[in-house]
Amino acid sequence: AQTVTQSQPEMSVQEAETVTLSCTYDTSESDYYLFWYKQPPSRQMILVIRQEAYKQQNATENRFSVNFQKAAKSFSLKISDSQLGDAAMYFCAYRSGPSNFGNEKLTFGTGTRLTIIP
Amino acid sequence: DAEITQSPRHKITETGRQVTLACHQTWNHNNMFWYRQDLGHGLRLIHYSYGVHDTNKGEVSDGYSVSRSNTEDLPLTLESAASSQTSVYFCASSLRTENSGANVLTFGAGSRLTVL
Repeated sequence: AQTVTQSQPEMSVQEAETVTLSCTYDTSESDYYLFWYKQPPSRQMILVIRQEAYKQQNATENRFSVNFQKAAKSFSLKISDSQLGDAAMYFCAYRSGPSNFGNEKLTFGTGTRLTIIP
Repeated sequence: DAEITQSPRHKITETGRQVTLACHQTWNHNNMFWYRQDLGHGLRLIHYSYGVHDTNKGEVSDGYSVSRSNTEDLPLTLESAASSQTSVYFCASSLRTENSGANVLTFGAGSRLTVL
């Protein structure tokens, strides 16, 4: 079974600065997908970014980017120019790739609570 | 607009009572999932379904059941509620295709359940 580990329960960053949230995972599969979800105080789960394991290029979405290190099984999220609206719980998640058709459930980490300091 | 709705949003019940949390999606997604969220545990999978009449157990399925009689609904039932089942419950759905790996989960707003 796959596991996802987020070793930082809480992080804080000054507004406009850059912060990196860590995520590691354990799997024996070679084909999979990784996701970062954001959960603001509203409790709604919002997709931030996703990465296909077969792609070497790191995914980027505006101020959000990932550092995907497949050999190290590491998938960190970098938030640049942090804004007050970025304050939330962030979850890293794993799912098997299309070669495992039918195994489409996500496995989540325990989350990192990010605080933005004005 | 398509959506996924959960009801009730908040519920307080007593130990031993049966509770059903509803989940209804209008995305026409074939996959549906129930997760519970607890501090220090993240989101853990309770049950999931890949289509009508299909149900599967997740990692924390004891004390819970689901049934899928149509595409839109996956109700979660707690047969005899326990205090350990106090949690926030999330329903999610996704579209299953040949290459659905990158298809993302769409989440409901969550249901907070308190068992006294």
